[in-house]
Amino acid sequence: DIQMTQSPSSLSASVGDRVTLTCRASQSIGNYLHWYQQKPGEAPKLLIYEASNLQSGVPSRFSGSGSGTDFTLTISSLQPEDFATYYCHQSSSTHTFGQGTKLEIK
Amino acid sequence: EVQLVESGGGVIQPGGSLRLTCVVSGFSVSSNYVTWVRQAPGKGLEWVAVIYKDGTTYYADSVKGRFTVSRDTSTNTVFIQMKSLRVEDTAMYYCAREVGVTGNLDYWGQGTLVTVTS
Repeated sequence: DIQMTQSPSSLSASVGDRVTLTCRASQSIGNYLHWYQQKPGEAPKLLIYEASNLQSGVPSRFSGSGSGTDFTLTISSLQPEDFATYYCHQSSSTHTFGQGTKLEIK
Repeated sequence: EVQLVESGGGVIQPGGSLRLTCVVSGFSVSSNYVTWVRQAPGKGLEWVAVIYKDGTTYYADSVKGRFTVSRDTSTNTVFIQMKSLRVEDTAMYYCAREVGVTGNLDYWGQGTLVTVTS
């Protein structure tokens, strides 16, 4: 199976900060990479699909980039509601998820 | 409005069986993919299984031979039958719609908790 590695595992940041989360695949997955946000006690929510496409209804401060093995999720200006755990997910072959990045308030 | 509602979770002893249900509204399970994803307490997400619109199913190695996904198109419901349950199967189980071409999961249920314990 393709391994997905997210970094960092956790990150402390402040409201208004620009943050970038990284996801690396163990082999090329093209652009079959998606990002989700999960808050405690809730189901994951799709943010970005196919590496760079913003899901309908998701604020434009979220953006994604990358292809092949290296991908990033950027939040341009953190809002209080953005503190959550973020997961990447590859659908190039048998689906796998990254281990998550927990974004905490500094 | 798209909705997925899981049910059937509970506490079960190792070796036992359980069937989870995912009732879908807002789209047809006969023309969409439905995926099961689980999350152990305090852990990350793990892909479990999928049923394609043609009825084909695929499973993670960790559940292959023990879990079976099926559907009832007349009630627009997807099931996951879980047998020979292990302590490590303890998790919140989510069903989600998978966009067939791209593989992203755009709608999720709220989850149902399965606890395997003696």
